[in-house]
Amino acid sequence: DADVTQTPRNRITKTGKRIMLECSQTKGHDRMYWYRQDPGLGLRLIYYSFDVKDINKGEISDGYSVSRQAQAKFSLSLESAIPNQTALYFCATSDLTGDQETQYFGPGTRLLVL
Amino acid sequence: LAKTTQPISMDSYEGQEVNITCSHNNIATNDYITWYQQFPSQGPRFIIQGYKTKVTNEVASLFIPADRKSSTLSLPRVSLSDTAVYYCLVGDGLTGGGNKLTFGTGTQLKVEL
Repeated sequence: DADVTQTPRNRITKTGKRIMLECSQTKGHDRMYWYRQDPGLGLRLIYYSFDVKDINKGEISDGYSVSRQAQAKFSLSLESAIPNQTALYFCATSDLTGDQETQYFGPGTRLLVL
Repeated sequence: LAKTTQPISMDSYEGQEVNITCSHNNIATNDYITWYQQFPSQGPRFIIQGYKTKVTNEVASLFIPADRKSSTLSLPRVSLSDTAVYYCLVGDGLTGGGNKLTFGTGTQLKVEL
């Protein structure tokens, strides 16, 4: 979805390096999410944010941190990258209408940690 | 947290109707059922969402029985381009979102000629 962009799209880094993955959205949604996907597996939630002042840990937050700089921006950082963080990372926003929540995903960032 | 169970994979042929069933025995009263489609190396894309009975849109139908403990995504007349992974999620955006939006491993649908 072009309304949710991720940079970079591909990244190779070395063990121990700190890296940041960025996500921007033009949908005007308050809620934003970071997921990782490993080959053959579903998406696992890392962190999520319901507004600029709100940060929540997901299922697998260890080794990651996030920053919600503005409504439109949600960054994911790997403090000290390790090889098992090699994965496909997706950012998503969501639209909440009553009880119904629909997510919109970015194109993904493919990360390789050597 | 409502857990979902789906078949790991399904095979079909072009032109056939495909039905993918998802079990969610401990669905909560306020939970909605949402299906997403994911192509390789792309983010999941919303297909359809419902609460009860039947919902239909331009790409699919969603059947939900009265007890809501399962749901069935129906794809009419599939084509090769419908080959993808399909995820069933249950959750209540109002009180949950976040951790309640759990993606399992999904169902890999393969459509052949």
